[in-house]
Amino acid sequence: QKEVEQNSGPLSVPEGAIASLNCTYSDRVSQSFFWYRQYSGKSPELIMSIYSNGDKEDGRFTAQLNKASQYVSLLIRDSQPSDSATYLCAVNTGNQFYFGTGTSLTVIP
Amino acid sequence: NAGVTQTPKFQVLKTGQSMTLQCAQDMNHNSMYWYRQDPGMGLRLIYYSASEGTTDKGEVPNGYNVSRLNKREFSLRLESAAPSQTSVYFCASSEAVGLGYEQYFGPGTRLTVT
Repeated sequence: QKEVEQNSGPLSVPEGAIASLNCTYSDRVSQSFFWYRQYSGKSPELIMSIYSNGDKEDGRFTAQLNKASQYVSLLIRDSQPSDSATYLCAVNTGNQFYFGTGTSLTVIP
Repeated sequence: NAGVTQTPKFQVLKTGQSMTLQCAQDMNHNSMYWYRQDPGMGLRLIYYSASEGTTDKGEVPNGYNVSRLNKREFSLRLESAAPSQTSVYFCASSEAVGLGYEQYFGPGTRLTVT
């Protein structure tokens, strides 16, 4: 059973702060790692993908991967109320994807 | 470029009724997937199709069947709906990127079985 674990939250941060979301996974063979954002009543939207150890930055988002620790994180800088959503961590092994249950983030104006 | 489309958006069924959920993608992706999402359970894979002509079971296949009609279309059928199948169903497709794949989702079908 391949497991992806996330803190379900809820996580609340004030507007302009940094939000930090964490995820661990169990399968050492996993090659690719993703963060999806899901607004209430909507489908998951891919916001970040990372394939190698280290940091990957895209605008206000930074994904961090540590394969030795089987850990992936997402930092959201200058958090905005529009970032309020559930964030899903996903891991790709072969052509299958495994999802965490998501972390609910609320950005307080 | 519509991405992944699903029909219907909403459906109410009575126990024992059957229905087919339709999914199509216009991104020329080889792999397609059906998930269900329930509160507190996350996304669970029902079936997937790695390529046209192939299908494989996922984590929760019981009560469902699939058809990969062609490269674009992947349908999910409930032969005899049960209240436990009340859920939100997402179709997705994926493309190879680097060492792995990136996956994109359709808008979902909200199904209620009474």
